[in-house]
Amino acid sequence: QSALTQPASVSGSPGQSITISCTGTSSDVGGYNYVSWYQQHPGKAPKLMIYDVSNRPSGVSNRFSGSKSGNTASLTISGLQAEDEADYYCSSYTSSSTPYVVFGGGTKLTVL
Amino acid sequence: QLQLQESGPGLVKPSETLSLTCTVSGGSISSSSYYWGWIRQPPGKGLEWIGSIYYSGSTYYNPSLKSRVTISVDTSKNQFSLKLSSVTAADTAVYYCARRSLVLTGEGLDYWGQGTLVTVSS
Repeated sequence: QSALTQPASVSGSPGQSITISCTGTSSDVGGYNYVSWYQQHPGKAPKLMIYDVSNRPSGVSNRFSGSKSGNTASLTISGLQAEDEADYYCSSYTSSSTPYVVFGGGTKLTVL
Repeated sequence: QLQLQESGPGLVKPSETLSLTCTVSGGSISSSSYYWGWIRQPPGKGLEWIGSIYYSGSTYYNPSLKSRVTISVDTSKNQFSLKLSSVTAADTAVYYCARRSLVLTGEGLDYWGQGTLVTVSS
């Protein structure tokens, strides 16, 4: 089983926008609209930021948005703030053999 | 407010079985709207989905762990549990329990426990 592919790190200055990609296959990201994104600060549990490609849970800032094109999903954070510095993980439903969930390797976001 | 709390031994010997329980408070585990799952994170590494269970007992496992994993639910105690057999040092990780709400957040895991570190060592 292969994890989804994310860049190891991205960075941006306060106020800027950044995009994190998440590349999979037609068996996961490309095959279903079931991509989620999580934010994880050091020593904390992950927090759901986006579900089903582009939906925000209640309480999540509208500075966070998600999209998908083919086998690649993306998380965009606009108006970067210092508190956005964290690790970000994508996940996708997959049913290549049996239904389960696969995560990306994670992306470290640094706010300069 | 829904809360999830993992509990279990923090140290397990190689070849033995890791056993953890997640206690759900502030809501019922028996609702047809939710799945309950386990995710782990080795120190300094990424997340790995282990499996999930529906209140009825239906389970879904990560194929790479399926031969060693059992997830069960005890609706009378509002708990679900994880058993991972024949553990090795590679199973050392922070183990999280989490909820998936079919209605509110689709495939996303919207509530997580704080996580518990399990170390496999003799």
